[in-house]
Amino acid sequence: NAGVTQTPKFRVLKTGQSMTLLCAQDMNHEYMYWYRQDPGMGLRLIHYSVGEGTTAKGEVPDGYNVSRLKKQNFLLGLESAAPSQTSVYFCASSLDSYEQYFGPGTRLTVT
Amino acid sequence: AQKITQTQPGMFVQEKEAVTLDCTYDTSDQSYGLFWYKQPSSGEMIFLIYQGSYDEQNATEGRYSLNFQKARKSANLVISASQLGDSAMYFCAMRERAGFQKLVFGTGTRLLVSP
Repeated sequence: NAGVTQTPKFRVLKTGQSMTLLCAQDMNHEYMYWYRQDPGMGLRLIHYSVGEGTTAKGEVPDGYNVSRLKKQNFLLGLESAAPSQTSVYFCASSLDSYEQYFGPGTRLTVT
Repeated sequence: AQKITQTQPGMFVQEKEAVTLDCTYDTSDQSYGLFWYKQPSSGEMIFLIYQGSYDEQNATEGRYSLNFQKARKSANLVISASQLGDSAMYFCAMRERAGFQKLVFGTGTRLLVSP
């Protein structure tokens, strides 16, 4: 039981490049989330999903897209990376309205 | 308007002493949930404790307890008998009923436990 895993752990992009972050959970959770963490700002919700095939915008969705084609996976895409997207990205999943289980994070630098 | 306020950027405590980390929240919902997460230097987010707005008793989990004062809209985390391994960032978060599963986080408090 791996819980929530994220790929990759680290990535450096040039401005304008694209990439996809993969989140996978093996707990059969319905709900999945993508957050970003910036210094001094806590975690902010980017997008979330309440089930396979559904996605919704969070607090800071601009510049990101997501897909939930399979229940266990939640992908976060950056189509044209900008330096403002330099951050640590966390994926989380939850079964209900209580505890969210977090992945280890992905540190992304855009130069 | 800021939903979760953590006014202590940093706190220091000696080993074996108790420490309180402050959290105030703002919501017009009657049904909501309050969470505390720990983030050690390794970066992962670790769930510590949960308090529902209708829970009459303060939540406790081992050395962690949540001092929930609904009228004051505060949900302070109390760590008893601090250990060196408690040194970390601590985040308070809230789930509003209207926001369904979404969590709103505070900016965190860095706790340093000294020997």
